Amino acid sequence: GAVVSQHPSWVICKSGTSVKIECRSLDFQATTMFWYRQFPKQSLMLMATSNEGSKATYEQGVEKDKFLINHASLTLSTLTVTSAHPEDSSFYICSVSGTGTDTQYFGPGTRLTVL
Amino acid sequence: DQQVKQNSPSLSVQEGRISILNCDYTNSMFDYFLWYKKYPAEGPTFLISISSIKDKNEDGRFTVFLNKSAKHLSLHIVPSQPGDSAVYFCAASAAGTASKLTFGTGTRLQVTL
Repeated sequence: GAVVSQHPSWVICKSGTSVKIECRSLDFQATTMFWYRQFPKQSLMLMATSNEGSKATYEQGVEKDKFLINHASLTLSTLTVTSAHPEDSSFYICSVSGTGTDTQYFGPGTRLTVL
Repeated sequence: DQQVKQNSPSLSVQEGRISILNCDYTNSMFDYFLWYKKYPAEGPTFLISISSIKDKNEDGRFTVFLNKSAKHLSLHIVPSQPGDSAVYFCAASAAGTASKLTFGTGTRLQVTL
């Protein structure tokens, strides 16, 4: 399967600041990248889907102006949480998919804590 | 509306025995199903998948069964090993591949010695 990394693995920030999370596909041409979040003791919830070079498609209830997604290359996608608030504290996970694979491969996740 | 449900939040199985994890879905458009294993503070690891045109898929110790009429799938792990202890998520897609996955709530499996 694909090797996916995320950076940072955890981040603590003050309320009102912006945080950028990177997702890298190390050995796989990821034509599609997905961003999920998981609140404690809940399931993974899809936030958005991005295709390389295109604007992301956001799920219902996810604010596109708050969660900025950039998928500029086949190996890198970024999620920026703008003006973060404590309720944005969560575990953010990216996954990749592409030609020749019928599954999604997940990164290790990023723990965001907003104080 | 939880379209993919795992009704057992936890399961404890003795080492060497069979672990059976269950998953139910409500959306008849789902045609591709996957099982993932997850450790705390890590991303999910893909285990096995099945297309709706099949009713069984096997990979080593892992077998997934799909009952379309009942909208039910199950993951069998035989024999269970202590390293299998983790949270298991089933996921479903309506696109025939792993596109836009809807996850269940997870089942925590504990394999005891």
